[in-house]
Amino acid sequence: GAGVSQSPRYKVTKRGQDVALRCDPISGHVSLYWYRQALGQGPEFLTYFNYEAQQDKSGLPNDRFSAERPEGSISTLTIQRTEQRDSAMYRCASSWGGQGGAEQYFGPGTRLTVT
Amino acid sequence: AQTVTQSQPEMSVQEAETVTLSCTYDTSENNYYLFWYKQPPSRQMILVIRQEAYKQQNATENRFSVNFQKAAKSFSLKISDSQLGDTAMYFCAFMYPLNAGNMLTFGGGTRLMVKP
Repeated sequence: GAGVSQSPRYKVTKRGQDVALRCDPISGHVSLYWYRQALGQGPEFLTYFNYEAQQDKSGLPNDRFSAERPEGSISTLTIQRTEQRDSAMYRCASSWGGQGGAEQYFGPGTRLTVT
Repeated sequence: AQTVTQSQPEMSVQEAETVTLSCTYDTSENNYYLFWYKQPPSRQMILVIRQEAYKQQNATENRFSVNFQKAAKSFSLKISDSQLGDTAMYFCAFMYPLNAGNMLTFGGGTRLMVKP
């Protein structure tokens, strides 16, 4: 089937606005991950879900960042009161979960620019 | 916490030659997984190869192979018969599944340029 999809692919917003980034994982994948990647650097973990339960949010930078996956499928990462330092590529990945070491399949990312 | 270090910010290789990208990591765990991901100019993240720490045999995928040295905590990627399409950023990543949710910890990346 289709791979991981993310929308929008590009988002330009003004400082102080809220943004919502969407991730649609591969059908049947239990685990869903959010990462943030600054230009020229490797992705950094933000949060992850098993089914609808948020298992770890230790990577979220501050309380302006939140994520949900209410029905265990599509997930939304929300950034409130955006700041210029939030500009980055936001990546979503999914895996079938279960046994450790399962491959994570990445989406194309959402490039966020805060002006 | 685990850390992953890629000491070569940029490398270049002539087409058809072989190149090795370095990666070291720091962990106190014994059972874990290591990955190499490729990020071409399109900025997709594509899995290249995967290694289980409990396996002594080095993983191989066509032209890509790894040299996994567990005691030295080293995990290098060898690309044989380099092709122009191999031009990309390469990221080494560590995964410790137990109690850590399978999240990946990435290195800073190595930019590889394959020259014709």
